[in-house]
Amino acid sequence: EVQLVESGGGLVKPGGSLRLSCAASGFTFSSYSMNWVRQAPGKGLEWVSSISSSSSYIYYADSVKGRFTISRDNAKNSLYLQMNSLRAEDTAVYYCARREEFDPWGQGTLVTVSS
Amino acid sequence: QSALTQPRSVSGSPGQSVTISCTGTSSDVGGYNYVSWYQQHPGKAPKLMIYDVSKRPSGVPDRFSGSKSGNTASLTISGLQAEDEADYYCCSYAGSSYVFGTGTKVTVL
Repeated sequence: EVQLVESGGGLVKPGGSLRLSCAASGFTFSSYSMNWVRQAPGKGLEWVSSISSSSSYIYYADSVKGRFTISRDNAKNSLYLQMNSLRAEDTAVYYCARREEFDPWGQGTLVTVSS
Repeated sequence: QSALTQPRSVSGSPGQSVTISCTGTSSDVGGYNYVSWYQQHPGKAPKLMIYDVSKRPSGVPDRFSGSKSGNTASLTISGLQAEDEADYYCCSYAGSSYVFGTGTKVTVL
């Protein structure tokens, strides 16, 4: 069974940092591009970042460019999102999702940025 | 990267059909045949329902269908069922980025 499990969320002060992880299982992780998508409380979905299977291509939404860094470790079947200079507007549930079609999604991890 | 425009809500009785529109620009919806649709029940992760405008993943009922004309994509749910009540989001590739729609709440009357 294809499974994605996010972790690393929590409460952080404005200006702080957090590193999210997404553990993948049930498929050949190194063959697929991966993505991060977030959803602020009560709001819609927002694409955050994408990384190709070999990390050759990396893309970011303008809202996080220069502050967030996506990476992956194919040997560990893991996807990461390093989030720096966090702002209140970054508060959201962060999902990882497989391939260009965003399928499937993990259960999400909540990041709260507040003083 | 402005969000794609969807109606806030649509509703229908069981057995009826509803259609959700998703309007973008020539830089996203109109420029690529990479539009997907997601279903999200409260408190749950989104689920892929349609990809590449009109393709259905295995396991998704054929009551769900997608199409596109110009800068507007559409999701049609035929034979509406109670379990179809959820939020639906479209998404389009936009050249080195993706943009999601504003979301539509489908209510089964």
